[in-house]
Amino acid sequence: AQSVTQLGSHVSVSEGALVLLRCNYSSSVPPYLFWYVQYPNQGLQLLLKYTTGATLVKGINGFEAEFKKSETSFHLTKPSAHMSDAAEYFCAVRDSGGSNYKLTFGKGTLLTVNP
Amino acid sequence: GAGVSQSPRYKVAKRGQDVALRCDPISGHVSLFWYQQALGQGPEFLTYFQNEAQLDKSGLPSDRFFAERPEGSVSTLKIQRTQQEDSAVYLCASSLFRGDHYGYTFGSGTRLTVV
Repeated sequence: AQSVTQLGSHVSVSEGALVLLRCNYSSSVPPYLFWYVQYPNQGLQLLLKYTTGATLVKGINGFEAEFKKSETSFHLTKPSAHMSDAAEYFCAVRDSGGSNYKLTFGKGTLLTVNP
Repeated sequence: GAGVSQSPRYKVAKRGQDVALRCDPISGHVSLFWYQQALGQGPEFLTYFQNEAQLDKSGLPSDRFFAERPEGSVSTLKIQRTQQEDSAVYLCASSLFRGDHYGYTFGSGTRLTVV
């Protein structure tokens, strides 16, 4: 079964600083990986996804993530944090085979951006 | 509508009470999903519908949980004899196709508090 581990339940950065949110996955097959963002009292919004092909994936709002098979990682980065980036971020892996409609999420990382 | 609509946004139930949570997916979306998000956790899969057929209910925590989508559009998640551990945000998502994660749209959720 797939699983996702997000290192750090809370990350705090200064405005303009690099954002790095860590995600490691466990999957028995080549994974489909996702990052979602959740603003307070809102649903999940897809930031980016990796399926196949280029391992560096660019998403919305200046975020990108790199799939590293050797490290089983899919860390999310943004060169310069903005106050509006403050939210909770979830990494997810899609199940394989017959249940490929199902997502398994990590526990989330709350990003705080300080002025 | 333009997005996935869930109602009510907030629900407080006394322990032992039955509740019904509603999800209006995007018109024409074939797939519909329910996820449960406990406080401080990532969303966890509950159940999946393709049109009116419930193809997977493996994530429902107990037989007190029941979901339906009788006409292949609106879905209702019902919880009977609510217990405190049922307190969570219940998220609904829809997509045009099975496994179409670019097309997953999440609603804002219903926050259920059992007192």
